[in-house]
Amino acid sequence: EVQLVESGGGLVQPGGSLKLSCAASGFTFSGSAMHWVRQASGKGLEWVGRIRSKVNTYATAYAASVEGRFTISRDDSKNTAYLQMNSLKTEDTAVYYCTRLSSQYAFDIWGQGTMVTVSS
Amino acid sequence: DIQMTQSPSSLSASVGDRVTITCRASQGISNYLAWYQQKPGKVPKLIIYAASTLQSGVPSRFSGSGSGTDFTLTISSLQPEDVATYYCQKYNSAPLTFGGGTKVEIK
Repeated sequence: EVQLVESGGGLVQPGGSLKLSCAASGFTFSGSAMHWVRQASGKGLEWVGRIRSKVNTYATAYAASVEGRFTISRDDSKNTAYLQMNSLKTEDTAVYYCTRLSSQYAFDIWGQGTMVTVSS
Repeated sequence: DIQMTQSPSSLSASVGDRVTITCRASQGISNYLAWYQQKPGKVPKLIIYAASTLQSGVPSRFSGSGSGTDFTLTISSLQPEDVATYYCQKYNSAPLTFGGGTKVEIK
């Protein structure tokens, strides 16, 4: 079965750190660009960032709102992508989804999401 | 960065109605546009990519059109199961910006 499973969400204080994981199965993870998208409660979808595949030098890109604070990485041997979040702010509170960019360059597989709450 | 503007932000229509949602890019993006459907409490689902190509398994009442800066998602005959928020997204280059969403309800 093709799926993505996120984990690592939780409650963290402002200024704190959290690392999310996204475990993939059922497709060739190593050849796929992986992205993170978030959604605050009652709000729209916001693209967070991406990491490309090895053949594309694992290139990363980030939204301006998280640049310098968030880092995306991957371990192809574990079929897992990561989102390291540092210097968290209350406005980072959201459900975080990992998603795969398909060969048609759209997000065809989504995880179920993991909730991150930044609050004191 | 290119901005994506959807309209309307919400709409209410009757079962069987033709529904049209518009997405406008602040600069040309060729046909690098996707549409997603997100039902309440659910994960987003890809319904159209490359502006007009229907994702496998999506009902044929959904269609997309446009190129450059102006795009349209059409539901030819609205069904109760189509109640959802619809998002456009550009993917020609980072950032892969989403539109603000259009909430579709049944009248």
